[in-house]
Amino acid sequence: EAQVTQNPRYLITVTGKKLTVTCSQNMNHEYMSWYRQDPGLGLRQIYYSMNVEVTDKGDVPEGYKVSRKEKRNFPLILESPSPNQTSLYFCASSWGLAGAETQYFGPGTRLLVL
Amino acid sequence: DQQVKQNSPSLSVQEGRISILNCDYTNSMFDYFLWYKKYPAEGPTFLISISSIKDKNEDGRFTVFLNKSAKHLSLHIVPSQPGDSAVYFCAASSGGATNKLIFGTGTLLAVQP
Repeated sequence: EAQVTQNPRYLITVTGKKLTVTCSQNMNHEYMSWYRQDPGLGLRQIYYSMNVEVTDKGDVPEGYKVSRKEKRNFPLILESPSPNQTSLYFCASSWGLAGAETQYFGPGTRLLVL
Repeated sequence: DQQVKQNSPSLSVQEGRISILNCDYTNSMFDYFLWYKKYPAEGPTFLISISSIKDKNEDGRFTVFLNKSAKHLSLHIVPSQPGDSAVYFCAASSGGATNKLIFGTGTLLAVQP
């Protein structure tokens, strides 16, 4: 089954404790992105990757890191989480550019930073 | 600055009637528009899209209309079914190499049986 998986689905942590949210897709997509969803703000892009070892900042990259060492995986790293990073996070992948291809989203990771 | 706006946070419709969800945008460089549907505890899923060279695209019960002069698009669902109850996000893209979609804030549609 074609899918994007994220782990964990739910996470409670404390300020400053490094965490990683994993994302994996089995569709051989080149493009992957991370979004966060906040009330009243919709989904905002954090980082994106056009291929292995090629990443760039989205609209709200502060406080986040990503890596793309393999085509299928695109982990999101919070080196020192803060309460304003409490949010619902989605990973997405697609064959091509967002304007030409639809994106496939993972099920989401709900993060609470105390 | 919200470039894609969905001014109705929620909408309630009777089963069998038409649902109309609206979306406005400010950036005239947007050339591709999409609607995503999201159920609770799931990620958004693609529903329908339209290129800026068209003014209408239809897929079964779903039709998207684009009015470029008004910078407005709408999603029509006819007839509405209880299974259509979800949050609907409008999104726009201006192409380029960023693979970026700009999303609206979403409209919660409730279809009453």
